[in-house]
Amino acid sequence: EIVMTQSPATLSVSPGERATLSCRASQSVSSNLAWYQQKPGQAPRLLIYGASTRATGIPARFSGSGSGTEFTLTISSLQSEDFAVYYCQQYNNWPGSLTFGGGTKVEIK
Amino acid sequence: EVQLVESGGGLVQPGRSLRLSCAASGFTFDDYAMHWVRQAPGKGLEWVSGISWNSGSIGYADSVKGRFTISRDNAKNSLYLQMNSLRAEDTALYYCAKGRRGSIGAFDIWGQGTMVTVSS
Repeated sequence: EIVMTQSPATLSVSPGERATLSCRASQSVSSNLAWYQQKPGQAPRLLIYGASTRATGIPARFSGSGSGTEFTLTISSLQSEDFAVYYCQQYNNWPGSLTFGGGTKVEIK
Repeated sequence: EVQLVESGGGLVQPGRSLRLSCAASGFTFDDYAMHWVRQAPGKGLEWVSGISWNSGSIGYADSVKGRFTISRDNAKNSLYLQMNSLRAEDTALYYCAKGRRGSIGAFDIWGQGTMVTVSS
């Protein structure tokens, strides 16, 4: 099974600042990497797929980069609605096991 | 409106069975892979199982392999998860999710989930 490791576990950021979230895969997943945002009491929302393509309706302040084993989600200027938990997920193994990272909580500093 | 609505959750004793359903609407169901993802209380996301549009490809997490069975009925726009030999660690909110066209392992539409509690 491919293990996805996210860092940091918690990121404290002031509104308007940049946030950089990391995700590492235990083996190459090519560009088969997605990012999700989850707010309390809500289902996750797809932000990025293919490591760097924004999903429909996602603001341009969200960007993804990386390939192979190292990936980054950047939020260029944090808005109040961006404080949430973010998960990365690999889907390189399909129909084998797909795996999520443990999540990064972005909180208000 | 594109929508996924899960049902079938509840309280069940260890070792018993439960069948979850997911009703899809607002899109051409039989064009897309579908998945189940769960989230234990206060924990992260865990992919459980997925099925291709024609049921030709099916995958399971190691934690449920041999106990859970995913299926779909394209005529009824429905996805199912048969869960047998349930354990306490299966307690979670179970989400139905739609795979994205071209990136079928990326989930672009999610339901609101159905809660499964395994306890005696």
